[in-house]
Amino acid sequence: AQTVTQSQPEMSVQEAETVTLSCTYDTSESDYYLFWYKQPPSRQMILVIRQEAYKQQNATENRFSVNFQKAAKSFSLKISDSQLGDAAMYFCAYRSPGGRGAQKLVFGQGTRLTINP
Amino acid sequence: KAGVTQTPRYLIKTRGQQVTLSCSPISGHRSVSWYQQTPGQGLQFLFEYFSETQRNKGNFPGRFSGRQFSNSRSEMNVSTLELGDSALYLCASSLAPGLDTEAFFGQGTRLTVV
Repeated sequence: AQTVTQSQPEMSVQEAETVTLSCTYDTSESDYYLFWYKQPPSRQMILVIRQEAYKQQNATENRFSVNFQKAAKSFSLKISDSQLGDAAMYFCAYRSPGGRGAQKLVFGQGTRLTINP
Repeated sequence: KAGVTQTPRYLIKTRGQQVTLSCSPISGHRSVSWYQQTPGQGLQFLFEYFSETQRNKGNFPGRFSGRQFSNSRSEMNVSTLELGDSALYLCASSLAPGLDTEAFFGQGTRLTVV
């Protein structure tokens, strides 16, 4: 079974600075997807960024980028130029490739990110 | 395009009662998954439905059940409620399993069992 671990329960950063959230996972599969989701106080899970394991290039979405290290099974999220609206709970998630329980997401415990003005 | 709609948003029930939660997926999405979120256990997968069939089930007791209708709307039911069932229940919809698509989440139903 796959597991996802986020070792930082809480992180804080000054507005406009950069912060990195850590995530490690365990799997015996060679092909899979990794995600970072954001959950603000409204409780709705919002997809921040995704990474396909077969792609060597790290995914980026505006101020959000990942450092995907497949051999080390590490998937960290870097937020640049942090904004007050980035304050939320961040979850790292794993999903097997399509066709086998395809939509089941395995989540880490989450990291609560605080942005200090 | 309307997002994933979960009803009700809040619910208070008494131990021993049963409850039904509803999820309407994004139009055109045919796969619906349910998750339970608690402070202690985090986010845990409950089950996934596609074409009115349960495709995958998490490690939850038989008191937790669900179904999907022909219009892709899904319901989950919890019978004989226990205090530990208090949680945020999240529903996610996606186009279909087997495709490289993302899951979109609703805002959840906050269930409190007293």
